[in-house]
Amino acid sequence: DAKTTQPPSMDCAEGRAANLPCNHSTISGNEYVYWYRQIHSQGPQYIIHGLKNNETNEMASLIITEDRKSSTLILPHATLRDTAVYYCIVRVGAAGNKLTFGGGTRVLVKP
Amino acid sequence: DGGITQSPKYLFRKEGQNVTLSCEQNLNHDAMYWYRQDPGQGLRLIYYSQIVNDFQKGDIAEGYSVSREKKESFPLTVTSAQKNPTAFYLCASSIAGGSGANVLTFGAGSRLTVL
Repeated sequence: DAKTTQPPSMDCAEGRAANLPCNHSTISGNEYVYWYRQIHSQGPQYIIHGLKNNETNEMASLIITEDRKSSTLILPHATLRDTAVYYCIVRVGAAGNKLTFGGGTRVLVKP
Repeated sequence: DGGITQSPKYLFRKEGQNVTLSCEQNLNHDAMYWYRQDPGQGLRLIYYSQIVNDFQKGDIAEGYSVSREKKESFPLTVTSAQKNPTAFYLCASSIAGGSGANVLTFGAGSRLTVL
């Protein structure tokens, strides 16, 4: 599995866009990039995933660089409820996977 | 609404007792998972099951047991052999194949405390 590197923490201002980076320089051609977040004392929540094209849904946008070695999760208008630990995970899209949630970026949205 | 239900939300156990955590899903997902989370740490996989009557050990299966007799249910038993069972336990489910196999839906968790 490709290893991911995320900053341990970051702050952002309420109402502004939050840009969360993730490096995955050893990613393989058939590996997807997944993002989850975990709000304190809750189960993780799936946000978005992508293979090579940029993706957008109601929660966020995912920008993957052309060489696929890094990606950025964008929360367009951060709210206080977006304060959470954000996990970037790279995995092949297939059965039998064991997703690993380690590290992540602790995001604090400030008023 | 479809989702995953874990019970109980909080559980206290005396040392030496077995305890079973319930996990039920109505998402028609084939795959189910159990994770453990310790304070300030990431999630560690205990067991997972891709189909009824089949399951595999994760990274920290010692001291735990599971069953998968029904598609909807994946109970976890924390046995007395688990040396440090106090933790937050999370159940999840997903479809079994394709990129969606990594799109997990999680329950709200069960917090186990050993007295």
